[in-house]
Amino acid sequence: QSVLTQSPSASGTPGQRVTISCSGSSSNIGDNNVYWYQQFPGTAPKPLIYRNSQRPSGVPDRFSGSKSGTSASLAISGLRSEDEADYYCATWDDSLSGWVFGGGTKLTVL
Amino acid sequence: QITLKESGPTLVKPTQTLTLTCTFSGFSLSSSGVGVGWIRQPPGKALEWLAIIYWDDHHRYSPSLRSRLTITKDTSKNQVVLTMTNMDPLDTATYYCAHSGDWGLHYWGQGTLVTVSS
Repeated sequence: QSVLTQSPSASGTPGQRVTISCSGSSSNIGDNNVYWYQQFPGTAPKPLIYRNSQRPSGVPDRFSGSKSGTSASLAISGLRSEDEADYYCATWDDSLSGWVFGGGTKLTVL
Repeated sequence: QITLKESGPTLVKPTQTLTLTCTFSGFSLSSSGVGVGWIRQPPGKALEWLAIIYWDDHHRYSPSLRSRLTITKDTSKNQVVLTMTNMDPLDTATYYCAHSGDWGLHYWGQGTLVTVSS
């Protein structure tokens, strides 16, 4: 059972906008920055969003992140087939004194 | 350019101790604010954070695995070592090390698959 809660799956058609949510608590998301990762099978996670809403260079602006209270969201607009991957949220947890991850959301592009 | 690479055994027997080494370049683990963490991912499952060590030698462990983990660093060799005792088949996973800094766990190694089996 992951400390951060994500829906196991999400889907959309090409061109659509999809949102992936991540729910936590006051000791993690409520008090710390949220990070999002994209992972393809057999590869290491790739950072998509850091500090809640910042995109590393090279990440398309189709990807955006937001945080409100104890929840965070990753939005993908103009969905493409190559966006089909697993997405994870992560943050620091003050109570656990460690990093915590969500259970991951598998995005399917129909 | 920051790079990290994990190395260690691909197969360990139950009850044995696993020792993994993360060798990195492009940054110094003596720089303020910098850390190196370990994360694992069982086949088909989610990411799980294990441990982290910082430039000042402070370290943190996953509460559920604290009794089995030890993380150390060798700044001169640009290496971080993670040991996990009493390995179990449930510890079969890909183990990643990652750079921790202003951008969080931003730079990751390619991962190394460790299988626990007799």
